[in-house]
Amino acid sequence: AQKITQTQPGMFVQEKEAVTLDCTYDTSDPSYGLFWYKQPSSGEMIFLIYQGSYDQQNATEGRYSLNFQKARKSANLVISASQLGDSAMYFCAMRELYTGRRALTFGSGTRLQVQP
Amino acid sequence: KAGVTQTPRYLIKTRGQQVTLSCSPISGHRSVSWYQQTPGQGLQFLFEYFSETQRNKGNFPGRFSGRQFSNSRSEMNVSTLELGDSALYLCASSLGPELVRDRGKLTGELFFGEGSRLTVL
Repeated sequence: AQKITQTQPGMFVQEKEAVTLDCTYDTSDPSYGLFWYKQPSSGEMIFLIYQGSYDQQNATEGRYSLNFQKARKSANLVISASQLGDSAMYFCAMRELYTGRRALTFGSGTRLQVQP
Repeated sequence: KAGVTQTPRYLIKTRGQQVTLSCSPISGHRSVSWYQQTPGQGLQFLFEYFSETQRNKGNFPGRFSGRQFSNSRSEMNVSTLELGDSALYLCASSLGPELVRDRGKLTGELFFGEGSRLTVL
């Protein structure tokens, strides 16, 4: 079974600073994908970044980067130059890639608040 | 390009009633998944549909059902509502069920709607 652990229920960061949101995972499947989603108060889950288990390089998407440490089973999200609009819930998720079980398993989330 | 559209956005029902939620995927997307989000249980997978066929099902009782139509639109139904069914129901669509990297670009990731918030009294 897959499990995602996000140990930070809430985080504060000053505007323009960088912040790291932690995510550790557990799976017995060798092929998996890791995702980060942002959920603002509107409820919509917004896809941010993806890392495949066999990707050689850490994923980056604009101000978002994923610090992937496979041996430690961690996939931390780094947001650089935080903006007020980054205040939201952030969810780490994973899914198996080749088994047919395509459902996402989500962590409990981290609420990020960006302060001016 | 329009995103995933879910209707209704908010609804209130009483115990024992049934409810139907609708989801229109992004144009061209053929895979639709449903998730339930509650403060206690977090985000949990309900089911996934592709080409009008249920491909995966989560660990929910038979009161939860769904279907997908030929235009990829999907509905989910919850019968005999219980207080614990109060939740945000999120629909997500993707081009297809598989994640594919094409020349470095990822396709197959899920795009979510804003959800239908159900309150059961």
